[in-house]
Amino acid sequence: DAKTTQPPSMDCAEGRAANLPCNHSTISGNEYVYWYRQIHSQGPQYIIHGLKNNETNEMASLIITEDRKSSTLILPHATLRDTAVYYCIVRVRDTPLVFGKGTRLSVIA
Amino acid sequence: SAVISQKPSRDICQRGTSLTIQCQVDSQVTMMFWYRQQPGQSLTLIATANQGSEATYESGFVIDKFPISRPNLTFSTLTVSNMSPEDSSIYLCSVLKRRGTSGVNEQFFGPGTRLTVL
Repeated sequence: DAKTTQPPSMDCAEGRAANLPCNHSTISGNEYVYWYRQIHSQGPQYIIHGLKNNETNEMASLIITEDRKSSTLILPHATLRDTAVYYCIVRVRDTPLVFGKGTRLSVIA
Repeated sequence: SAVISQKPSRDICQRGTSLTIQCQVDSQVTMMFWYRQQPGQSLTLIATANQGSEATYESGFVIDKFPISRPNLTFSTLTVSNMSPEDSSIYLCSVLKRRGTSGVNEQFFGPGTRLTVL
Protein backbone atom coordinates (compact mmCIF):
# COMPACT_ATOMS: atom_id res chain seq x y z
CA ASP A 1 0.00 0.00 0.00
CA ALA A 2 1.12 3.53 -0.75
CA LYS A 3 2.36 5.31 2.36
CA THR A 4 1.89 8.84 1.09
CA THR A 5 -0.99 11.26 0.67
CA GLN A 6 -1.07 13.79 -2.14
CA PRO A 7 -3.73 16.15 -3.48
CA PRO A 8 -5.36 14.60 -6.57
CA SER A 9 -4.81 17.64 -8.77
CA MET A 10 -3.23 21.09 -8.92
CA ASP A 11 -2.97 23.91 -11.40
CA CYS A 12 -0.02 26.19 -11.92
CA ALA A 13 0.52 29.17 -14.20
CA GLU A 14 3.33 28.84 -16.70
CA GLY A 15 6.52 30.47 -15.43
CA ARG A 16 5.46 30.32 -11.81
CA ALA A 17 6.76 27.93 -9.19
CA ALA A 18 4.80 24.72 -8.70
CA ASN A 19 4.76 23.49 -5.12
CA LEU A 20 3.53 19.92 -4.76
CA PRO A 21 2.90 18.72 -1.17
CA CYS A 22 3.14 15.18 0.15
CA ASN A 23 2.32 13.74 3.55
CA HIS A 24 4.18 10.65 4.76
CA SER A 25 3.53 10.63 8.48
CA THR A 26 4.44 6.95 8.95
CA ILE A 27 7.83 7.15 7.26
CA SER A 28 10.52 4.97 8.83
CA GLY A 29 14.05 6.03 9.62
CA ASN A 30 15.55 4.10 6.72
CA GLU A 31 13.03 5.23 4.12
CA TYR A 32 13.83 7.84 1.53
CA VAL A 33 11.39 10.24 -0.11
CA TYR A 34 11.33 9.89 -3.91
CA TRP A 35 9.54 11.90 -6.54
CA TYR A 36 8.75 10.58 -9.99
CA ARG A 37 6.54 11.98 -12.70
CA GLN A 38 4.66 10.41 -15.57
CA ILE A 39 3.99 12.44 -18.64
CA HIS A 40 1.07 11.14 -20.67
CA SER A 41 1.75 7.83 -22.43
CA GLN A 42 5.33 7.57 -21.12
CA GLY A 43 7.04 5.55 -18.39
CA PRO A 44 7.64 7.27 -15.04
CA GLN A 45 10.69 9.51 -14.82
CA TYR A 46 12.85 10.08 -11.77
CA ILE A 47 12.94 13.65 -10.47
CA ILE A 48 14.68 13.76 -7.12
CA HIS A 49 15.00 12.02 -3.79
CA GLY A 50 16.15 12.76 -0.25
CA LEU A 51 16.45 11.34 3.23
CA LYS A 52 16.24 14.29 5.60
CA ASN A 53 18.13 17.18 4.05
CA ASN A 54 16.73 19.44 1.40
CA GLU A 55 17.89 18.53 -2.08
CA THR A 56 18.17 20.39 -5.37
CA ASN A 57 19.02 19.27 -8.87
CA GLU A 58 18.54 20.60 -12.37
CA MET A 59 14.88 19.63 -12.40
CA ALA A 60 13.54 20.51 -8.97
CA SER A 61 14.03 21.12 -5.27
CA LEU A 62 12.84 18.86 -2.48
CA ILE A 63 12.03 20.30 0.92
CA ILE A 64 11.61 17.76 3.73
CA THR A 65 10.27 18.87 7.10
CA GLU A 66 12.44 18.35 10.14
CA ASP A 67 10.20 15.58 11.48
CA ARG A 68 10.23 14.00 7.97
CA LYS A 69 6.46 13.59 8.02
CA SER A 70 5.90 15.70 4.95
CA SER A 71 7.72 17.13 1.98
CA THR A 72 7.26 19.54 -0.91
CA LEU A 73 8.51 19.23 -4.45
CA ILE A 74 9.23 22.57 -6.05
CA LEU A 75 9.43 23.13 -9.80
CA PRO A 76 10.86 26.65 -9.82
CA HIS A 77 9.61 27.81 -13.22
CA ALA A 78 6.90 25.51 -14.48
CA THR A 79 6.48 25.07 -18.23
CA LEU A 80 3.74 23.42 -20.24
CA ARG A 81 5.99 20.36 -20.58
CA ASP A 82 5.83 19.89 -16.80
CA THR A 83 2.17 18.89 -17.08
CA ALA A 84 2.18 15.34 -15.69
CA VAL A 85 1.18 13.13 -12.79
CA TYR A 86 3.66 13.52 -9.94
CA TYR A 87 4.21 10.64 -7.54
CA CYS A 88 5.67 10.98 -4.05
CA ILE A 89 6.96 7.62 -2.82
CA VAL A 90 8.70 6.57 0.36
CA ARG A 91 10.84 3.49 0.21
CA VAL A 92 13.89 1.73 1.48
CA ARG A 93 16.70 1.83 -1.04
CA ASP A 94 16.88 -0.94 -3.61
CA THR A 95 13.27 -2.02 -3.16
CA PRO A 96 10.68 -1.63 -5.94
CA LEU A 97 8.67 1.55 -6.09
CA VAL A 98 5.09 1.32 -4.85
CA PHE A 99 2.96 4.00 -6.48
CA GLY A 100 0.04 5.85 -4.96
CA LYS A 101 -2.45 7.94 -6.91
CA GLY A 102 -0.16 10.95 -7.31
CA THR A 103 -0.99 14.56 -8.11
CA ARG A 104 -2.05 15.56 -11.59
CA LEU A 105 -0.32 18.89 -12.25
CA SER A 106 -1.70 21.05 -15.03
CA VAL A 107 0.50 23.94 -16.13
CA ILE A 108 -1.63 26.61 -17.72
CA ALA A 109 -0.43 29.16 -20.27
CA SER B 1 21.05 5.56 -16.61
CA ALA B 2 19.44 2.70 -18.52
CA VAL B 3 17.92 2.45 -21.97
CA ILE B 4 14.97 0.08 -21.90
CA SER B 5 12.99 -1.09 -24.90
CA GLN B 6 9.79 -3.09 -24.96
CA LYS B 7 8.15 -5.11 -27.69
CA PRO B 8 5.47 -4.83 -28.85
CA SER B 9 4.71 -1.19 -28.13
CA ARG B 10 1.01 -1.95 -28.45
CA ASP B 11 -1.26 -4.80 -29.44
CA ILE B 12 -4.91 -5.67 -29.77
CA CYS B 13 -5.73 -9.24 -28.82
CA GLN B 14 -8.73 -11.51 -28.64
CA ARG B 15 -9.95 -12.84 -25.32
CA GLY B 16 -8.61 -16.25 -24.42
CA THR B 17 -5.30 -15.76 -26.19
CA SER B 18 -1.89 -15.01 -24.67
CA LEU B 19 0.65 -12.28 -25.36
CA THR B 20 4.33 -12.25 -24.49
CA ILE B 21 5.95 -8.86 -23.87
CA GLN B 22 9.69 -8.51 -24.20
CA CYS B 23 11.92 -6.14 -22.24
CA GLN B 24 15.49 -5.45 -23.34
CA VAL B 25 17.98 -3.37 -21.35
CA ASP B 26 21.15 -1.84 -22.76
CA SER B 27 23.29 -3.07 -19.85
CA GLN B 28 23.31 -5.81 -17.26
CA VAL B 29 21.00 -5.34 -14.30
CA THR B 30 20.25 -7.56 -11.36
CA MET B 31 16.73 -6.49 -10.50
CA MET B 32 13.93 -6.14 -13.02
CA PHE B 33 10.30 -5.44 -12.30
CA TRP B 34 7.01 -5.66 -14.16
CA TYR B 35 4.19 -3.21 -13.55
CA ARG B 36 0.66 -2.86 -14.81
CA GLN B 37 -1.18 0.42 -15.30
CA GLN B 38 -4.90 0.05 -15.88
CA PRO B 39 -6.73 2.86 -17.69
CA GLY B 40 -6.79 6.02 -15.59
CA GLN B 41 -5.00 4.32 -12.72
CA SER B 42 -1.60 4.38 -11.10
CA LEU B 43 1.08 1.73 -11.56
CA THR B 44 0.77 -1.60 -9.76
CA LEU B 45 3.75 -3.88 -9.21
CA ILE B 46 3.17 -7.35 -10.67
CA ALA B 47 6.43 -9.09 -9.85
CA THR B 48 10.16 -8.85 -9.32
CA ALA B 49 12.30 -10.86 -11.74
CA ASN B 50 15.87 -11.65 -10.77
CA GLN B 51 18.11 -13.68 -13.02
CA GLY B 52 18.68 -17.21 -11.81
CA SER B 53 15.67 -17.39 -9.54
CA GLU B 54 11.91 -17.62 -9.77
CA ALA B 55 10.02 -14.37 -10.04
CA THR B 56 8.43 -13.05 -6.87
CA TYR B 57 4.79 -12.08 -7.36
CA GLU B 58 2.82 -9.45 -5.50
CA SER B 59 -0.50 -10.13 -3.86
CA GLY B 60 -3.20 -10.59 -6.46
CA PHE B 61 -0.86 -11.78 -9.21
CA VAL B 62 -0.04 -15.43 -9.92
CA ILE B 63 2.50 -17.21 -12.07
CA ASP B 64 -0.12 -19.10 -14.10
CA LYS B 65 -1.64 -15.83 -15.28
CA PHE B 66 1.59 -13.83 -15.64
CA PRO B 67 4.52 -16.18 -16.25
CA ILE B 68 7.86 -14.37 -16.34
CA SER B 69 11.18 -15.41 -17.78
CA ARG B 70 14.57 -13.90 -16.97
CA PRO B 71 17.13 -15.81 -19.03
CA ASN B 72 19.97 -13.31 -18.60
CA LEU B 73 20.88 -9.97 -17.07
CA THR B 74 19.62 -7.84 -19.96
CA PHE B 75 16.33 -9.46 -20.93
CA SER B 76 12.98 -10.51 -19.50
CA THR B 77 9.55 -11.48 -20.78
CA LEU B 78 6.11 -11.20 -19.26
CA THR B 79 3.27 -13.29 -20.66
CA VAL B 80 -0.33 -12.32 -20.11
CA SER B 81 -2.20 -15.62 -20.36
CA ASN B 82 -5.80 -16.42 -21.22
CA MET B 83 -6.57 -12.75 -21.62
CA SER B 84 -9.85 -11.06 -20.82
CA PRO B 85 -10.90 -7.43 -21.39
CA GLU B 86 -9.94 -6.71 -17.75
CA ASP B 87 -6.31 -7.29 -18.74
CA SER B 88 -6.39 -4.24 -20.99
CA SER B 89 -3.62 -2.12 -19.53
CA ILE B 90 -0.19 -0.68 -20.11
CA TYR B 91 2.51 -3.11 -19.00
CA LEU B 92 5.83 -1.56 -18.01
CA CYS B 93 9.22 -3.06 -17.48
CA SER B 94 11.51 -1.42 -14.93
CA VAL B 95 15.08 -1.96 -13.76
CA LEU B 96 17.22 -0.97 -10.82
CA LYS B 97 20.49 0.52 -11.98
CA ARG B 98 23.13 2.94 -10.81
CA ARG B 99 22.32 6.55 -11.64
CA GLY B 100 25.32 8.31 -13.14
CA THR B 101 28.32 8.41 -10.83
CA SER B 102 26.30 8.83 -7.65
CA GLY B 103 26.78 5.24 -6.55
CA VAL B 104 23.06 5.10 -5.83
CA ASN B 105 20.76 2.61 -7.57
CA GLU B 106 17.59 4.10 -8.98
CA GLN B 107 14.64 2.73 -10.87
CA PHE B 108 14.24 3.31 -14.60
CA PHE B 109 11.19 2.50 -16.69
CA GLY B 110 10.59 1.30 -20.20
CA PRO B 111 8.09 3.00 -22.53
CA GLY B 112 5.38 0.44 -21.82
CA THR B 113 3.28 -1.95 -23.90
CA ARG B 114 -0.31 -0.88 -24.43
CA LEU B 115 -2.54 -3.95 -24.53
CA THR B 116 -6.18 -3.94 -25.56
CA VAL B 117 -8.19 -7.15 -25.18
CA LEU B 118 -11.42 -7.43 -27.13
